[in-house]
Amino acid sequence: QQQVKQSPQSLIVQKGGISIINCAYENTAFDYFPWYQQFPGKGPALLIAIRPDVSEKKEGRFTISFNKSAKQFSLHIMDSQPGDSATYFCAASFEGGGADGLTFGKGTHLIIQP
Amino acid sequence: NAGVTQTPKFQVLKTGQSMTLQCAQDMNHNSMYWYRQDPGMGLRLIYYSASEGTTDKGEVPNGYNVSRLNKREFSLRLESAAPSQTSVYFCASRRQGGRGAFFGQGTRLTVV
Repeated sequence: QQQVKQSPQSLIVQKGGISIINCAYENTAFDYFPWYQQFPGKGPALLIAIRPDVSEKKEGRFTISFNKSAKQFSLHIMDSQPGDSATYFCAASFEGGGADGLTFGKGTHLIIQP
Repeated sequence: NAGVTQTPKFQVLKTGQSMTLQCAQDMNHNSMYWYRQDPGMGLRLIYYSASEGTTDKGEVPNGYNVSRLNKREFSLRLESAAPSQTSVYFCASRRQGGRGAFFGQGTRLTVV
């Protein structure tokens, strides 16, 4: 059972456009929703995260929107730049919980065309 | 400030050979994880360790063993490598009460 579903699998956006990646979760015990950015040949790195008590969090050009009732959250990259081209993973976690305490989506390969 | 360190970075094995992937973290984290990453499959959990002295299977444990040597170190062993184990392996750690995980740079393993 896939607890975190991520879409799209791949995305091409023009430079300056808005990139949007969506995730949906099932387990209501999740209370922390991070996004990871991974460049080729590197490990995933924490980009931005949100807790369910807020509906939006913004850091620079990156924004997480969170809809608790729908159990969905999304990453928006404003003014997308070629340097944003990477694979993005959403995740959901809660303290403890064994292996299910940290669950990843399958990733989105983002390409920003100049 | 090393974070999570994995060795080796690259490895080529012949089918049937064994090897151990090493992982060490210097953040005093309790939980450590081993993932494999394959194209289109995302990050799949192999084994994890919630604390020193404990290990548990994840989604794809077959063909692997792990050892939580101490709080810092968590190793992954392939006893008899198979071509299906060709992948990029990531170690990660997470602190007690923490939510996000920190990843190493990965080990790219090819089994021929």
